[in-house]
Amino acid sequence: QKEVEQDPGPLSVPEGAIVSLNCTYSNSAFQYFMWYRQYSRKGPELLMYTYSSGNKEDGRFTAQVDKSSKYISLFIRDSQPSDSATYLCAMSKTGNTPLVFGKGTRLSVIA
Amino acid sequence: GAVVSQHPSRVICKSGTSVKIECRSLDFQATTMFWYRQFPKQSLMLMATSNEGSKATYEQGVEKDKFLINHASLTLSTLTVTSAHPEDSSFYICSARAGQGGNSPLHFGNGTRLTVT
Repeated sequence: QKEVEQDPGPLSVPEGAIVSLNCTYSNSAFQYFMWYRQYSRKGPELLMYTYSSGNKEDGRFTAQVDKSSKYISLFIRDSQPSDSATYLCAMSKTGNTPLVFGKGTRLSVIA
Repeated sequence: GAVVSQHPSRVICKSGTSVKIECRSLDFQATTMFWYRQFPKQSLMLMATSNEGSKATYEQGVEKDKFLINHASLTLSTLTVTSAHPEDSSFYICSARAGQGGNSPLHFGNGTRLTVT
């Protein structure tokens, strides 16, 4: 079993839809959880950064962490064509240890 | 926000030559930088951790003599792919933390696409 599992998609939704992206993980030592957005041929861009369980909201983005289930989610409200990208979840055990990434989910938002 | 600059963005080289990739933290000092490699439609794989003023720490399976890392200052780390071969063609991305501890997420450069012919 991989440390971090993420459905690669592709996921296609109409503009304005609510998008739900998810990752599961096996190592209960992970405490820091991140979501990155990566456009084609570009480096990952940090979207959300959370510590331990709970929710965090930033504009149209909401990140949820459920450590008891080893499950994290990213919700995108009112999705836009510009949200079309690959979304990578990442996590680490401490604030200074390297990240472990999911494979990424390719999202297409259709106008 | 924190910015990580990577150069060049794209390089094409002949087999057997060496290529140097630079990673700079533009508005913060980074004692630690990370080098990742990404194949098409795959996730990022950590290659090595670059430590300012000391030797880099390589992940299992990564040849340290092939991928030379130098972190000579708090704002610059370089990755040199020595004697490159076509199988080294990939997307190389560096990253750094803007600060210490758990409140400092990782920021990435825009990557370098290496093609070895």
